Amino acid sequence: GQQVMQIPQYQHVQEGEDFTTYCNSSTTLSNIQWYKQRPGGHPVFLIQLVKSGEVKKQKRLTFQFGEAKKNSSLHITATQTTDVGTYFCAGVIQGAQKLVFGQGTRLTINP
Amino acid sequence: NAGVMQNPRHLVRRRGQEARLRCSPMKGHSHVYWYRQLPEEGLKFMVYLQKENIIDESGMPKERFSAEFPKEGPSILRIQQVVRGDSAAYFCASSPPENWGSYNEQFFGPGTRLTVL
Repeated sequence: GQQVMQIPQYQHVQEGEDFTTYCNSSTTLSNIQWYKQRPGGHPVFLIQLVKSGEVKKQKRLTFQFGEAKKNSSLHITATQTTDVGTYFCAGVIQGAQKLVFGQGTRLTINP
Repeated sequence: NAGVMQNPRHLVRRRGQEARLRCSPMKGHSHVYWYRQLPEEGLKFMVYLQKENIIDESGMPKERFSAEFPKEGPSILRIQQVVRGDSAAYFCASSPPENWGSYNEQFFGPGTRLTVL
């Protein structure tokens, strides 16, 4: 069954509002990655988090990895229309050699 | 350095026909992964291959689906006797030959959109 859950499934915001998507795993993760997929496009790697409690920033994007390495979040400050797309988390389950993707959060923005 | 290439980009098949999807990884990458994405859904892992070896095929349906990554040439995902439920986007991704202690990102190809009539 699905081992990496992501919420919400959809999020619609006004341009300039903040956005957050959450990722939870039933098992401890070795690391977690985040990808963005534009409508009609393919997933593009954003970042990888490895350490417990790690926080990384990329301009308006803030990524966190939980202390127990079972959850993660992506926060976008002051969204812009270019942020539209689906954001996926993908975890490497400890002991497994593959990425398990969350279902994704589809972000739409009202300009 | 060309990215991951997939062809065809769009493929239409009638029920019962065979579909062959090709993936050329990035230069220097020896790990290939195939994923299936249904409309409005996430990416479902299908298979992980290295040159001439299937490492993990736990996501592959037991029947009609097969994958290979020969010593020379692209990786092939083959679907025999396609059914309407096989309609989806199939993405290939590649990564360099790092060990899992320093796991790296996966580079995705543009995908093949398969439509079964």
